[in-house]
Amino acid sequence: KNEVEQSPQNLTAQEGEFITINCSYSVGISALHWLQQHPGGGIVSLFMLSSGKKKHGRLIATINIQEKHSSLHITASHPRDSAVYICASFASYSGGGADGLTFGKGTHLIIQP
Amino acid sequence: DVKVTQSSRYLVKRTGEKVFLECVQDMDHENMFWYRQDPGLGLRLIYFSYDVKMKEKGDIPEGYSVSREKKERFSLILESASTNQTSMYLCASERGTLNTEAFFGQGTRLTVV
Repeated sequence: KNEVEQSPQNLTAQEGEFITINCSYSVGISALHWLQQHPGGGIVSLFMLSSGKKKHGRLIATINIQEKHSSLHITASHPRDSAVYICASFASYSGGGADGLTFGKGTHLIIQP
Repeated sequence: DVKVTQSSRYLVKRTGEKVFLECVQDMDHENMFWYRQDPGLGLRLIYFSYDVKMKEKGDIPEGYSVSREKKERFSLILESASTNQTSMYLCASERGTLNTEAFFGQGTRLTVV
């Protein structure tokens, strides 16, 4: 059974700080999602990656398949980055698709001005 | 832009009422999903659908049913709402191909009193 662990659960930082959120999973996966959820509930997909690294603006996601670990980094953090960040992995045996997603419990990030 | 739209952001219903949560997507996606999200538990899959009139149980289907009469619309039904169904409900859709990206609605926060 795939298990996804995120750390930290809560993170408060000052504006401008470099932020790292970690995600570990227990089985071989075919891809991993990083999702962002703002207060109010809607979820936005930030990245889907299966190897290496992806960058979008100030956000960078990396994945190490051998170590079963992914990180989400935020450079030059800003109060508008305050949100819950969730990682979700597709187990290789599931064939992909959101029915095969296993979600972490999320990291609650607060960036103070 | 892919749009996944949930009919209500907030709902308050009484115990025993029949509740309908509607989700519509406008990108001709084959797969649609209903999740609930609770503090400390993360997102859990209730039901999903790969095609019109087709449904599959997820991890926590008890107390729920679904309907997919048209490709773009996936409804979650609480036949007799109970207080333990107070939660955030999230709809998602994706194209029916391997490791495709999932798109989420804005969420419906349901309170059963």
